[in-house]
Amino acid sequence: QKEVEQNSGPLSVPEGAIASLNCTYSDRGSQSFFWYRQYSGKSPELIMSIYSNGDKEDGRFTAQLNKASQYVSLLIRDSQPSDSATYLCAESRGTSYGKLTFGQGTILTVHP
Amino acid sequence: GAVVSQHPSWVICKSGTSVKIECRSLDFQATTMFWYRQFPKQSLMLMATSNEGSKATYEQGVEKDKFLINHASLTLSTLTVTSAHPEDSSFYICSASSGQESNTEAFFGQGTRLTVV
Repeated sequence: QKEVEQNSGPLSVPEGAIASLNCTYSDRGSQSFFWYRQYSGKSPELIMSIYSNGDKEDGRFTAQLNKASQYVSLLIRDSQPSDSATYLCAESRGTSYGKLTFGQGTILTVHP
Repeated sequence: GAVVSQHPSWVICKSGTSVKIECRSLDFQATTMFWYRQFPKQSLMLMATSNEGSKATYEQGVEKDKFLINHASLTLSTLTVTSAHPEDSSFYICSASSGQESNTEAFFGQGTRLTVV
């Protein structure tokens, strides 16, 4: 069983729509969760981090964490073509600061 | 955010030769650096964790004698791919962390594209 699972997509949404990306994890010891965006040929860039149950909003992005269900999601509002990328969900265990386990990534395409 | 610089950005080498990749934290002291590898259309896989002044901890399945990691200072870690083969061709990415709390962010370098011919 993969430790972090994502739907690989591709997910295609029209410009201006809400893109919803989902991630599940298997280890209840996971404490920190991250969403990264990765453009082709580039290294990942951090979009959001979330540590507590509930929602966390930053601009057009909202991360949601439900530890009981072992579920993390990312909502992108008003999606733009520039949001087209691979989105990686990652988790870190409490004692392994910065040591991340990544999901396989979801390819998002925002079409005009 | 903090800046992590990785060098070179890309390298082509002949099979059997060794290649060194540098990872530098430019504006903070990195107590720990992490090395990841990403094959095409796959996710990042952690190869090893590097702590300044001590031996690196390798993930299962990663050959420590093939992927030599040195973290001699708080701002520099190096990964040397020894006796490289075409199957080592990959995107190698480092990240660096300054803290030891569980919520301390690690910052990624820009990655190194290695092609072994």
